[in-house]
Amino acid sequence: SYVLTQPPSVSVAPGQTARITCGGNNIGSKSVHWYQQKPGQAPVLVVYDDSDRPSGIPERFSGSNSGNTATLTISRVEAGDEADYYCQVWDSSSDPNWVFGGGTKLTVL
Amino acid sequence: QVQLVQSGAEVKKPGASVKVSCKAFGYTFTSYDINWVRQATGQGLEWMGWMIPNSGHTGYAQKFQGRVTMTRNTSISTAYMELSSLRSEDTAVYYCVRVTCSGSSCYVRENWGQGTLVTVSS
Repeated sequence: SYVLTQPPSVSVAPGQTARITCGGNNIGSKSVHWYQQKPGQAPVLVVYDDSDRPSGIPERFSGSNSGNTATLTISRVEAGDEADYYCQVWDSSSDPNWVFGGGTKLTVL
Repeated sequence: QVQLVQSGAEVKKPGASVKVSCKAFGYTFTSYDINWVRQATGQGLEWMGWMIPNSGHTGYAQKFQGRVTMTRNTSISTAYMELSSLRSEDTAVYYCVRVTCSGSSCYVRENWGQGTLVTVSS
């Protein structure tokens, strides 16, 4: 099965840039989606198809994907960005079809 | 307003089965796939399977094959996920999600159910 690897935690000071990586074999050939999950809440999509933002998501959230690594970048980090972040890919030929990364806890110092 | 409303929390004994419902509001139920995702406390997201409400066709992650059944009742716009032979490791929040597919990929654009906590304990 396909495996996505994320760092367990990332820490950043307010106003700085946070980068959360998602590693997978040739992940650059797949579309990567990113979700933000705050405690006690369902996840929220923040980036889809590598780098597109749903309406209502600040421009501070951006994504990139190449080679074996996809990256979610959060610029000018705010306290309200503190959450767990998950990457996800879909592959109809693999089992499971949907794969999530293990999640990264973003801590705003 | 699109909403997925799930049934309430359940407590089950090991070996029992649980059936979680997911009622759709605000859109045509048969127009979007429904998937199920679970999350154990303090753990990550785990995909369980998919269902096409229009046809009833399903696909399950191999990990759950033989234990999970996804069904639907289109007359009441409701999807169901039944998990059998429960064990303590199945204790988790179970989410139904409305799936969006674009190009060669699928994801959850907006709509997650509120989650249903299933506790398996003797």
